[in-house]
Amino acid sequence: QSVLTQPPSASGTPGQRVTISCSGSSSNIGSNTVNWYQQLPGTAPRVLIYNNNQRPSGVPDRFSGSKSGTSASLAISGLQSEDEADFYCAAWDDSVNGHVFGTGTKVTVL
Amino acid sequence: LQLQESGPGLVKPSETLSLTCTVSGGSIISRNYYWAWIRQPPGEGLEWIGSVFYSGSTYYTPSLNSRLTISVDTSKNQFALRLNSVTAADTAIYYCARETVATTNWFDPWGHGTLVTVSS
Repeated sequence: QSVLTQPPSASGTPGQRVTISCSGSSSNIGSNTVNWYQQLPGTAPRVLIYNNNQRPSGVPDRFSGSKSGTSASLAISGLQSEDEADFYCAAWDDSVNGHVFGTGTKVTVL
Repeated sequence: LQLQESGPGLVKPSETLSLTCTVSGGSIISRNYYWAWIRQPPGEGLEWIGSVFYSGSTYYTPSLNSRLTISVDTSKNQFALRLNSVTAADTAIYYCARETVATTNWFDPWGHGTLVTVSS
């Protein structure tokens, strides 16, 4: 079972801003950095954000990440139809002694 | 860099699941990367399984530690997963991925994934 909690779904119209939360604890988000992954339908995940707020080359700047305390957030500004996907947060957990993923959030573009 | 999983798509309960990941377009020998296995049960979320360094050093998720072996073959630019005593709960899409060493390591790129079904 996931130790990082995300809302199961989020939605918005094209051009809107959508935010996804990721709630953890002191043993994971509270003491380690957060990464975010995007999984388009029928494909493998890809990293979207690493080290809380860094974007790999090729990721549009409308994706941004932040962290505060034991929670993290992913924001998508200027939502586009091709952003429909599942999004997962991830972090190292010092108690579990392993990588943990969030429960996942399905983003729908209305 | 590309990664490609290979192995049987069907495994019987209590038997051993074996998969290989072939890395192309770059060397598996690097101090900057681990090489990881991650799985995703159909319709569910992601679960990290374990990782291996080119030297053979490994670390595994505690819940699978007793059944799991991950190894590396640098001469073939491959790494492999063996999971013993499988049950239906091990049915999943299995992905291999490169793991960049950082404050929290991240996984990218990933292979396309291979579905392994545990059934008699």
